Amino acid sequence: NAGVMQNPRHLVRRRGQEARLRCSPMKGHSHVYWYRQLPEEGLKFMVYLQKENIIDESGMPKERFSAEFPKEGPSILRIQQVVRGDSAAYFCASSPSELSSYNEQFFGPGTRLTVL
Amino acid sequence: QQQVKQSPQSLIVQKGGISIINCAYENTAFDYFPWYQQFPGKGPALLIAIRPDVSEKKEGRFTISFNKSAKQFSLHIMDSQPGDSATYFCAARNFNKFYFGSGTKLNVKP
Repeated sequence: NAGVMQNPRHLVRRRGQEARLRCSPMKGHSHVYWYRQLPEEGLKFMVYLQKENIIDESGMPKERFSAEFPKEGPSILRIQQVVRGDSAAYFCASSPSELSSYNEQFFGPGTRLTVL
Repeated sequence: QQQVKQSPQSLIVQKGGISIINCAYENTAFDYFPWYQQFPGKGPALLIAIRPDVSEKKEGRFTISFNKSAKQFSLHIMDSQPGDSATYFCAARNFNKFYFGSGTKLNVKP
């Protein structure tokens, strides 16, 4: 029973390039959440998606960042024209349905993005 | 504006001692308060969680104390072990969004 999978685990990009981060949720999970963690800080919510729908993107910068969760395949967090300030760990979490007291989100191992 | 404030930033405890981490919040709409444990290079893993209608929850060596009127909650790790050395995050949930504290780096010395 595989957990949440993220790839790549480490990604190095030069300023101005694009970064694509992938997240495969746990089997049976149709809800995905993306978080960003800066060094020595807690996780910050970015976006919440269900299959083919963005439910809440209030934590995602308006420019350069986008996310999708297609009917088939993993969820993708895309960062265009990366800058040094985008260097962080990006975590994906999944849940089987809307979060409530009776279910929880499960985190992947994260993708560590370094922008040179 | 930080929704959940966590302290201390770092903590050193001797093996067998009690580790205590505190969190405070402002938003009374929060309805679920989990604690996560994170080891270097790994994602956070749920450790224990509490709802605001309960004042205390215990699971093994881990206890959450919750004070609704003070809007504070804390994690107590009894008989701390070197294997507990990790970063701990408190969090609070409103609808489908979690707000995390800034983390406490715990070092349990043998």
